[in-house]
Amino acid sequence: GAGVSQTPSNKVTEKGKYVELRCDPISGHTALYWYRQSLGQGPEFLIYFQGTGAADDSGLPNDRFFAVRPEGSVSTLKIQRTERGDSAVYLCASSSEFNTEAFFGQGTRLTVV
Amino acid sequence: AQKITQTQPGMFVQEKEAVTLDCTYDTSDQSYGLFWYKQPSSGEMIFLIYQGSYDEQNATEGRYSLNFQKARKSANLVISASQLGDSAMYFCATRSEKLVFGKGTKLTVNP
Repeated sequence: GAGVSQTPSNKVTEKGKYVELRCDPISGHTALYWYRQSLGQGPEFLIYFQGTGAADDSGLPNDRFFAVRPEGSVSTLKIQRTERGDSAVYLCASSSEFNTEAFFGQGTRLTVV
Repeated sequence: AQKITQTQPGMFVQEKEAVTLDCTYDTSDQSYGLFWYKQPSSGEMIFLIYQGSYDEQNATEGRYSLNFQKARKSANLVISASQLGDSAMYFCATRSEKLVFGKGTKLTVNP
């Protein structure tokens, strides 16, 4: 595709439910990042993939959060037993080489009620 | 560990004037990149400018320039001839492996 695509754009879920957020990066980009952004704050790093493997998952807040990228392209961020504090915009970005910019998707706005 | 510090929560500038947005970084890596992104109220993240740690010259992209002072670990963004459309959040970021962002500066351009 032309850019990074994130689906859904909006997700409302009840507390305690399971959600999956999808990121389709730019074709050929090996690096993929997930961030969480609350209103008025900077993007908070969650996890970084290089190819299929998670190169750094130090930003995942707890074991309710998990992400996969099985074929080195599309990635899914999975959140179990959602809590109201998980409400935020989840951003995905991808990049090719080290010294080039990361391109961002439009984000998924998650609201836990 | 990588860290970005942006000490200016908000900045105001008159239209057509220049403004400097501050950014300091901390990394133990010798090779790294520095980035600036703009986020308007629409929420999209727009890449502005990149500086590599081994680049000797300051990066420039149109009205944007990055004032890179390696010894001070400083990577300030200079916007010349501000326009009303420059009003947005601005984020500084560094990457050696993962890409880490600062908390941002909200820039308001007054007519």
